[in-house]
Amino acid sequence: DTAVSQTPKYLVTQMGNDKSIKCEQNLGHDTMYWYKQDSKKFLKIMFSYNNKELIINETVPNRFSPKSPDKAHLNLHINSLELGDSAVYFCASSQGVARVTSQPQHFGDGTRLSIL
Amino acid sequence: EDKVVQSPLSLVVHEGDTVTLNCSYEVTNFRSLLWYKQEKKAPTFLFMLTSSGIEKKSGRLSSILDKKELFSILNITATQTGDSAIYLCALNDMRFGAGTRLTVKP
Repeated sequence: DTAVSQTPKYLVTQMGNDKSIKCEQNLGHDTMYWYKQDSKKFLKIMFSYNNKELIINETVPNRFSPKSPDKAHLNLHINSLELGDSAVYFCASSQGVARVTSQPQHFGDGTRLSIL
Repeated sequence: EDKVVQSPLSLVVHEGDTVTLNCSYEVTNFRSLLWYKQEKKAPTFLFMLTSSGIEKKSGRLSSILDKKELFSILNITATQTGDSAIYLCALNDMRFGAGTRLTVKP
């Protein structure tokens, strides 16, 4: 009965490779997010989609490209991986855009990405 | 620029102690402040605060907001080892603080 699920849970790969992380939510929410949590546990918003439309795109290298095929799914593709991309990536969802509606977000368990 | 500052960054207490975690903020257009608890994996929602002076309470946890002084506190009474976690404060625009790592020793 996982509400927000991400795959894979762990991803170990080499510099320069391209990888994708998938996220699905079964809460019926219309807004989804990607966050990056670094080694100091600082959680930083990367992207947000509302009803498949990109609404938040923070200062993120264009090697990162999100895609939302429908409002229940938000995937993250990363090209030419670099050492600094090593982090835990969290997917989250909420009903309405958090910035506007102040609804709490529900988070997935994270994908730990390690770049060798 | 909007920002969220949490203090202390880490805290070690013994079971039964009471702790107070702080979150101060600067924001152009305040809507709400949220507290989350992060154990090993996903942050989980604790409280959402929108109005000053109204305490939100859930069991041993409580939180209050001061919109004039721009801060919030999260109190945990009679701490237990299961309270060990990182406590995150966030503004409505999904801007998170660095978190407070709480360790409760038996």
